[in-house]
Amino acid sequence: DAKTTQPNSMESNEEEPVHLPCNHSTISGTDYIHWYRQLPSQGPEYVIHGLTSNVNNRMASLAIAEDRKSSTLILHRATLRDAAVYYCILRSPGVIGSGNTGKLIFGQGTTLQVKP
Amino acid sequence: KAGVTQTPRYLIKTRGQQVTLSCSPISGHRSVSWYQQTPGQGLQFLFEYFSETQRNKGNFPGRFSGRQFSNSRSEMNVSTLELGDSALYLCASGKDSSTDTQYFGPGTRLTVL
Repeated sequence: DAKTTQPNSMESNEEEPVHLPCNHSTISGTDYIHWYRQLPSQGPEYVIHGLTSNVNNRMASLAIAEDRKSSTLILHRATLRDAAVYYCILRSPGVIGSGNTGKLIFGQGTTLQVKP
Repeated sequence: KAGVTQTPRYLIKTRGQQVTLSCSPISGHRSVSWYQQTPGQGLQFLFEYFSETQRNKGNFPGRFSGRQFSNSRSEMNVSTLELGDSALYLCASGKDSSTDTQYFGPGTRLTVL
């Protein structure tokens, strides 16, 4: 499984944008980039995913470098509720039913602190 | 619709005992995966079940086992508990697509004394 590298921790002020980087220099051409986050005392939750183009949803935006060797999760206005550990994960699109679909390989993630 | 549920939420056992944890996936989801989370090792994949068959396994000893029932509910069993098995055990469910979202439950906090 291809590996991702993230900073251990980041800080942000409330109401300001946050850019969380992820390096994945060994990404293959078919790997999807997924982001999950884990709030304190909860299970991880899905944030966003993409393949090549930048993606937006109600939670965040995902900016993917042209060479796909890095990506950035963007929280447009951080709130205290966004304080969490953010995980960048690569997922290979296996053939449906082939046996790789439920497996997520988590790294250490980035602990985001949001200051009021 | 209801999310992933796990029971019990908290459990205390002693070394040498065995434990069974339960996970009910989101309705319609046939894939159930289990993870162990500890402060030292982080989140580690245990195994995945799909249509009552284990189809993917992480690097854990044989003391860790699981099964899935015809209604997609899954159980995880740990035999001969060790102190190092103290952890948060998370269950996730999803549809059968490698790019699909995995939905996690709140976890079962297991403490081994």
